[in-house]
Amino acid sequence: GAVVSQHPSWVICKSGTSVKIECRSLDFQATTMFWYRQFPKQSLMLMATSNEGSKATYEQGVEKDKFLINHASLTLSTLTVTSAHPEDSSFYICSAEDREWNQPQHFGDGTRLSIL
Amino acid sequence: EDKVVQSPLSLVVHEGDTVTLNCSYEVTNFRSLLWYKQEKKAPTFLFMLTSSGIEKKSGRLSSILDKKELFSILNITATQTGDSAVYLCAVVGSARQLTFGSGTQLTVLP
Repeated sequence: GAVVSQHPSWVICKSGTSVKIECRSLDFQATTMFWYRQFPKQSLMLMATSNEGSKATYEQGVEKDKFLINHASLTLSTLTVTSAHPEDSSFYICSAEDREWNQPQHFGDGTRLSIL
Repeated sequence: EDKVVQSPLSLVVHEGDTVTLNCSYEVTNFRSLLWYKQEKKAPTFLFMLTSSGIEKKSGRLSSILDKKELFSILNITATQTGDSAVYLCAVVGSARQLTFGSGTQLTVLP
């Protein structure tokens, strides 16, 4: 079945560091990937929609200059949290949709980001 | 704006009990409703529902959608401690992204 790989699974770094998170679809092509953020005890909130070969679409309140998204190929999207601060600490999850087979979105395992 | 409301927010039962989780929604150009189970990591897929009245079943779990009344239920029979998790309901509208409800925290006691 469809598999989405997300890396790294856990990051701890100092304030001011930039962190890159990768999301790969392993056995299907994903023209669209989605990035979500989940704070403790809360549900997943969509941050942005990543489109292969074009600019990402950001949800209201999400700073595009802080959360850089690149979707350079049909199997890889990256989210870079630039100059991260403690309030950016969260669980970041990507998902991808295999449109060819009309399948539901499948999620990566998520990245737990802790900014000290 | 798409909206998903789940109830109850939390539920504590004993092993062997049957539970029903509720999900109501408002969405522009409904495409599908999905149920996910989330333990410590990212959500794992349970069901995708697109048509009213057709029950989807997987072992002790089942789900059904009512597109007229805009809700879905997830049933779990003969619950086990391994069913303890957050159950998330999400809808897909015209923009194809998922809009999640707040989830139901299910705790199954031995």
